[in-house]
Amino acid sequence: DVKVTQSSRYLVKRTGEKVFLECVQDMDHENMFWYRQDPGLGLRLIYFSYDVKMKEKGDIPEGYSVSREKKERFSLILESASTNQTSMYLCASSQPDRTSGGYTFGSGTRLTVV
Amino acid sequence: SQQGEEDPQALSIQEGENATMNCSYKTSINNLQWYRQNSGRGLVHLILIRSNEREKHSGRLRVTLDTSKKSSSLLITASRAADTASYFCATDDGGSYIPTFGRGTSLIVHP
Repeated sequence: DVKVTQSSRYLVKRTGEKVFLECVQDMDHENMFWYRQDPGLGLRLIYFSYDVKMKEKGDIPEGYSVSREKKERFSLILESASTNQTSMYLCASSQPDRTSGGYTFGSGTRLTVV
Repeated sequence: SQQGEEDPQALSIQEGENATMNCSYKTSINNLQWYRQNSGRGLVHLILIRSNEREKHSGRLRVTLDTSKKSSSLLITASRAADTASYFCATDDGGSYIPTFGRGTSLIVHP
């Protein structure tokens, strides 16, 4: 069964901490994505990556960075966590052929910044 | 990037009834996707329909696409309590294949 695994389901961090959210996929997908989901706002794209060491900004990259050192792993980094980054974070991956199939999502990480 | 908009925002029905959700978008697309999200979980891909297709079926799901009206509908027939979830449409903007998601329709199916 193909999988996207996010390292934590729930996370509580303090304001100002550096936070790492990890995502690993076992499908050999080239494309990986990070979204955040907030009530009333739907899913918003933070960053995406089409290849190792490659990254592109999404719609809301401010306050975030990413790292993709290996094909299967895509990390989201909150350099200095703030309370407005409290949210559900969703990682996804997709086939190299962007016209086929859909995204496979992880189960999400609910981050609370206090 | 464009965002699809689902309608209605919330839908409450009895088990056995059909559920219809709609998605409207603004610019031309390459494809449109529907996803389901159970409470507090990740999204599950249901169906992808390409811009040159008009209808697709998968089990109890039927998706239609009308590119002239820039709209799509998702029909769930003979709904079950287990269909209770939020449903999202995702559209790309035609220039790239990166889909953006709407705010979703919350479906409750009463047993």
